[in-house]
Formats: sequence, structure tokens, C-alpha cells
Amino acid sequence: DAKTTQPTSMDCAEGRAANLPCNHSTISGNEYVYWYRQIHSQGPQYIIHGLKNNETNEMASLIITEDRKSSTLILPHATLRDTAVYYCIAPLGSGGSNYKLTFGKGTLLTVNP
Amino acid sequence: GAVVSQHPSRVICKSGTSVKIECRSLDFQATTMFWYRQFPKQSLMLMATSNEGSKATYEQGVEKDKFLINHASLTLSTLTVTSAHPEDSSFYICSVSDTIQETQYFGPGTRLLVL
Repeated sequence: DAKTTQPTSMDCAEGRAANLPCNHSTISGNEYVYWYRQIHSQGPQYIIHGLKNNETNEMASLIITEDRKSSTLILPHATLRDTAVYYCIAPLGSGGSNYKLTFGKGTLLTVNP
Repeated sequence: GAVVSQHPSRVICKSGTSVKIECRSLDFQATTMFWYRQFPKQSLMLMATSNEGSKATYEQGVEKDKFLINHASLTLSTLTVTSAHPEDSSFYICSVSDTIQETQYFGPGTRLLVL
């Protein structure tokens, strides 16, 4: 897997956008960027993934820089329930379905009222 | 995304006993499932990759004779912790591989406490 670097923690006000950065400067051309989150005492929840283009779904948006060396996960309107550890993962190979996901320490996002 | 269940959600057992944890893919057939464990204040660590109808592939340092994995059907994989000891107390989580969605979906986890 490409090494990913994320801030240890971030704070966000409820209702505001949460922008979570991830650096993956050693990512190779066929490695996707995946984002998961883990709310305390629960299994990880898939959020979004992308290769080159920006992606958006009902949960979040993923912005990938043109050189693919970094990305940002955007939660447009953070709620208290979005408080969780967010993991950015770039598994070796094309896609993270049959490939090992290596979880780092992630970013603890705390959404404050 | 795929719906994954685990049973039990939590279990307490005595040292030396064996514990079986089930992981079910409820809405699609999964040829590949993964088992992870997570110790307190640490991140998830992959234990093994489970393939339907074949032997599991274990990560380095994971004892295959202690953590028995059976993936007998496309919707069920089981992890048996044999002769459990207090150091096996952990949060065990499975995931299923969805090749169409190109991603993995995780179960809710099973918290094991060995006394």
C-alpha cells in the first residue's frame, strides 16, 4: 500500500464543512484512495473512494489533486454523529475489494455543538 | 453497500475455552472475506483472508492453528479462537469483498473478553 499521512486530530463545528486531508505522495498509478470511518466501538464504515477524478456520494465528496499526491475528504455539513476516526487508505493494486486494507492511525474528527 | 452481520456482538469466556464468531453477508455472495482484530486504542490489523471453499491465508504472526477460519459458503465465514487466553481479548471484525463496488464492507464487530 502507498503510505498515507493524516493529521492526528481535527475539530469541526456542527453544521460546518469538515475537510480532512490525506497525503499519499508515493501512490502509484493504479492505486485507488479509499476513505473509511470508525465510530467508537463499531466496525469501519465505507465512505467513498476514487482514482483520479473527484467523487461525490450521499455521504461525502472526495477531492484528489491532479498529481494524485494528496486528497481531501469533505463532509459538507458535519453533525455530531460524524465524530469518528477517519482512515485514508491507498491499497496496492486496482481497487480495494480483494486487496488488503492497511489501516493507519487515521484522523480523529470531533464535531462540536 | 453490502450488509454484513456478526454474531455474537460480545462474548465473555473462560481461559482455555474456544469461541466461534460468525460473519454473514446478508445481501450478496462473497467469495472473499477478511478477518481483523483491534486492540484498545489501536488500529485494525488484518488477521487473515478467507476464500470460499479453500484454506484461509493468514498474515505474518497470526497462528493458523489458534485462529481457525472456515468459509464454507458464499454468505458465511466463521472464526474460531481456540484455547482462548486473556491476551486474545480484542475486538474482532470481519469484512466482505464486493468486487462490483470495488470495496470492502465491514461487520459491526465482536468484542471478546477472556477471563
